[in-house]
Amino acid sequence: NAGVMQNPRHLVRRRGQEARLRCSPMKGHSHVYWYRQLPEEGLKFMVYLQKENIIDESGMPKERFSAEFPKEGPSILRIQQVVRGDSAAYFCASSAGGLNTEAFFGQGTRLTVV
Amino acid sequence: DQQVKQNSPSLSVQEGRISILNCDYTNSMFDYFLWYKKYPAEGPTFLISISSIKDKNEDGRFTVFLNKSAKHLSLHIVPSQPGDSAVYFCAATHGGSQGNLIFGKGTKLSVKP
Repeated sequence: NAGVMQNPRHLVRRRGQEARLRCSPMKGHSHVYWYRQLPEEGLKFMVYLQKENIIDESGMPKERFSAEFPKEGPSILRIQQVVRGDSAAYFCASSAGGLNTEAFFGQGTRLTVV
Repeated sequence: DQQVKQNSPSLSVQEGRISILNCDYTNSMFDYFLWYKKYPAEGPTFLISISSIKDKNEDGRFTVFLNKSAKHLSLHIVPSQPGDSAVYFCAATHGGSQGNLIFGKGTKLSVKP
């Protein structure tokens, strides 16, 4: 499967724990985007990364959330001290970059905070 | 403030008929528009896109129309098939945002046999 791979598919965390969501982009893609979808809502942009660089983090909450895309390995979205309101589906997308190039999405990680 | 609006949460259509999904936007800087289809428990799948220099783009059963003066676009599916039943998201971006897609809330399409 050469598509965008996200893991885990489902993640349950207790309030106060840390959540780590992983995303491996499509082969040849160096641009990664994270989106969050709350129930009954559309997808909301969180952050855009290229290898080792954060390009746009305008959608990231100011506290507890961070993202990285290291030179080797998957992109990681990290949520510290999770709260119930963090429960959502988190989608990663990747693209080859450049203007007007389509982003291809992974299947998402459904985070549930109990 | 929603920059991309899909005002119909749901749409029901008979198999073989045309499905028309609508989308409005407010940001005149948007210059590229995309439609994604999403099944439950899966990620969105890219369907079709259109640049603001065009007013129509066609791909098989799917056609997207763009009316820049009205800041409106629509997705036409003809003929509709039961497998088209899914949630359809309209998304927009502009060259300066480099991939920051702004999504609407989606329209759930049900195609009845």
